[in-house]
Amino acid sequence: EAGVAQSPRYKIIEKRQSVAFWCNPISGHATLYWYQQILGQGPKLLIQFQNNGVVDDSQLPKDRFSAERLKGVDSTLKIQPAKLEDSAVYLCASSSNKAGGEQYFGPGTRLTVT
Amino acid sequence: SQKIEQNSEALNIQEGKTATLTCNYTNYSPAYLQWYRQDPGRGPVFLLLIRENEKEKRKERLKVTFDTTLKQSLFHITASQPADSATYLCALERTGANNLFFGTGTRLTVIP
Repeated sequence: EAGVAQSPRYKIIEKRQSVAFWCNPISGHATLYWYQQILGQGPKLLIQFQNNGVVDDSQLPKDRFSAERLKGVDSTLKIQPAKLEDSAVYLCASSSNKAGGEQYFGPGTRLTVT
Repeated sequence: SQKIEQNSEALNIQEGKTATLTCNYTNYSPAYLQWYRQDPGRGPVFLLLIRENEKEKRKERLKVTFDTTLKQSLFHITASQPADSATYLCALERTGANNLFFGTGTRLTVIP
């Protein structure tokens, strides 16, 4: 089966610019996650969707980050305006909607803010 | 707030030896604990899951233990190989949360 797809793989922007990331989860997976992984750290959950509804966005910096999952499939994560500290890898993952389910991760988008 | 500590940032072992990685957590007790492997430039890949009522889980050369009294999980790779070199992440899932809280990871290097 096809894995989680993300694009772009790399992005370099200047601070105060905006950027958007796209994710296509594994077919049939109801739950989609966006994580931020800063170099040397583990992934930090930003937002969790179940179908097209938000389940958990408690760690999303809502003044600059936004995400949507229209039609319960693809998702986009946007940052506007970007700050230097947003430089990180943004990972998308999906899972079936069951407790203890493993998560399948995409390759990530490496964002560099200069 | 929840905190997960994984032993030393980096661990070097000789090929053929057993690698033991530690995951210690504080505060809430997880319903599940998962271990992932992450290679440079890639997303994490699921390895093993252990439930709060399980003491040990095995899969091929991998073994995970879970001690809810000590709030600790140990991850063992027996007969280690250079191909096992990667960063290993532990992650907790609270009851009903259906999401994961990750540790910082341990970078394992197996020396031929």
